[in-house]
Amino acid sequence: AQSVTQLDSQVPVFEEAPVELRCNYSSSVSVYLFWYVQYPNQGLQLLLKYLSGSTLVESINGFEAEFNKSQTSFHLRKPSVHISDTAEYFCAVRAAGGTSYGKLTFGQGTILTVHP
Amino acid sequence: EAGVVQSPRYKIIEKKQPVAFWCNPISGHNTLYWYLQNLGQGPELLIRYENEEAVDDSQLPKDRFSAERLKGVDSTLKIQPAELGDSAVYLCASSLNHLGEQYFGPGTRLTVT
Repeated sequence: AQSVTQLDSQVPVFEEAPVELRCNYSSSVSVYLFWYVQYPNQGLQLLLKYLSGSTLVESINGFEAEFNKSQTSFHLRKPSVHISDTAEYFCAVRAAGGTSYGKLTFGQGTILTVHP
Repeated sequence: EAGVVQSPRYKIIEKKQPVAFWCNPISGHNTLYWYLQNLGQGPELLIRYENEEAVDDSQLPKDRFSAERLKGVDSTLKIQPAELGDSAVYLCASSLNHLGEQYFGPGTRLTVT
């Protein structure tokens, strides 16, 4: 089975400041990793994903995440946030094999609030 | 292209009453998921369909919850009878197949009083 821990339930930050949302996972098999974003009153949207290859992945709106296998982490970073980045962010893992193959497991979520 | 459609968006019912949620996935998506999202938590899978077949319903409380996807397209999730603890957001998602990217609907927020 897989589990995901998002270490911060809320992260307040000022506009144009850098931010890091932390995510650690546990799994007995190889995993694929995802970050989803949920804006108020909207469904979850895929922000970025790691399937294979380069351990650093980027989104179109300036977020990046780095897969660290030794630390079982997939932290999300942005060097300069905007007011519009205010949302809830979910880290998720999907088993690449085993009995849970294909199943998506989510963390508890981190609410990012960007202040002017 | 339309995304995943869910209705109703909000529902308030008294405990012991029945309730049903409807989901229309993205056209051509064979896999459909129902998730439960409690306040302050991430989504948890309730059931996954491959076409009309429920292939993973291990987390669905079968004493009061039921789901169907009769023609392999739309799906309905039902609770009968509802309990106070069922208050949550019920999310529907779909993907081309069980390994494809999942696209989520806006959810149905259920309040049981």
